[in-house]
Amino acid sequence: QSALTQPASVSGSPGQSITISCTGTSNDVGSYNLVSWYLQHPGKGPELMIYEGTKRPSGVSSRFSASKSGNTAFLTISGLQAEDEAVYYCCSYGGNNNLLFGGGTRLTVL
Amino acid sequence: QVQVVESGGGVVQPGTSLRLSCEDSGFMFSAYSMHWVRQAPGKGLEWVASISYDGGNEYYSDSMEGRFTISRDNSKNTLYLQMTSLRHEDTALYYCAREFQEWDLDNWGQGTLVTVSS
Repeated sequence: QSALTQPASVSGSPGQSITISCTGTSNDVGSYNLVSWYLQHPGKGPELMIYEGTKRPSGVSSRFSASKSGNTAFLTISGLQAEDEAVYYCCSYGGNNNLLFGGGTRLTVL
Repeated sequence: QVQVVESGGGVVQPGTSLRLSCEDSGFMFSAYSMHWVRQAPGKGLEWVASISYDGGNEYYSDSMEGRFTISRDNSKNTLYLQMTSLRHEDTALYYCAREFQEWDLDNWGQGTLVTVSS
């Protein structure tokens, strides 16, 4: 069982928007502005999509955005494209010098 | 171009040891903290350990502390993970990654597969 809770799967049609939730506790997601999101395509290493809660690394599309409310973080992908189909992981600093990952959410573009 | 290449994986018996390496290029290795993260077959990501830029601080997942040791050689731009007393549940693809910002990881490698099997 993963430390952070994500839905196992979400789906959407091209052009639509989807949101993936990531629920932690007041000791991790709720306490720190250190939530990141990673995308993983089959057979590939993860790629950083969002860092420090809401920031996008250079080269990441503005269609990706993130937010947080209490102990839950959210990743929103707007204007869905076929290439967005992947597994998405949230991650949060857990305090006491450790890092927590969610179980991953498989995004299917219909 | 930043490049991260893990190696050292293989098939080992329970109770044995293995050392993984991660060779990095294209960036100032000695300026960054580095991490190991693993992924069991068909499962999600699990943080293993991290080490500060100068090797002065090491941090471990509770479930692996005492069996795994992270280290680095900045003169060789290489990160290591020494694993001992390996268990079946340590079977996973082991990734190394650079700490881009505080606890945010970019530039992951392709991973090296460790299979613990009798």
